[in-house]
Amino acid sequence: DTAVSQTPKYLVTQMGNDKSIKCEQNLGHDTMYWYKQDSKKFLKIMFSYNNKELIINETVPNRFSPKSPDKAHLNLHINSLELGDSAVYFCASSPSGTKTQYFGPGTRLLVL
Amino acid sequence: AQSVTQLGSHVSVSEGALVLLRCNYSSSVPPYLFWYVQYPNQGLQLLLKYTSAATLVKGINGFEAEFKKSETSFHLTKPSAHMSDAAEYFCAVSDQGSQGNLIFGKGTKLSVKP
Repeated sequence: DTAVSQTPKYLVTQMGNDKSIKCEQNLGHDTMYWYKQDSKKFLKIMFSYNNKELIINETVPNRFSPKSPDKAHLNLHINSLELGDSAVYFCASSPSGTKTQYFGPGTRLLVL
Repeated sequence: AQSVTQLGSHVSVSEGALVLLRCNYSSSVPPYLFWYVQYPNQGLQLLLKYTSAATLVKGINGFEAEFKKSETSFHLTKPSAHMSDAAEYFCAVSDQGSQGNLIFGKGTKLSVKP
């Protein structure tokens, strides 16, 4: 299937741990994104990245870092997890020349 | 700065009734506007988009939205609600940056009563 996929779907971990969420798209898109959805369902951009430019939302703590091994992947690494990091994290991608984004199924992170 | 306001965090309709979900935007340039739907415990699915072509945009599942520049609105409608339409709906505007990050409204939860 052509899609945006994320792993894992659920992630439960302890405060202070380091974790990564993986995102892959096989749509051939040039730009990938990470969004955070909080407990009130509010969605906010964290990062956007293509092979030329990484744009970081200034409100994102530097404990969060995107890592792109290649054009089809944009992983999210989180250091020293905090309770407030509990949320659903969505990856998305879009083709060049359009502003339409296609979303992955989300990763539900719970920090205890 | 661009922004999106969705009026009504929760809308409840009866099955077969008209669905109207409101979205107003703020943008200093012609906007790109989107409606996404999120079913429980799932990701976001694109319903429809406005990209400066026709002002009446038809989407999936019988939904449509009309871009009204004079009202800075992009309301989502469906003539007859189905039980399966119950979900969270998000209006979004693409920001002016090169990467086109989406700025979302706070969402409207649609409930459909039998």
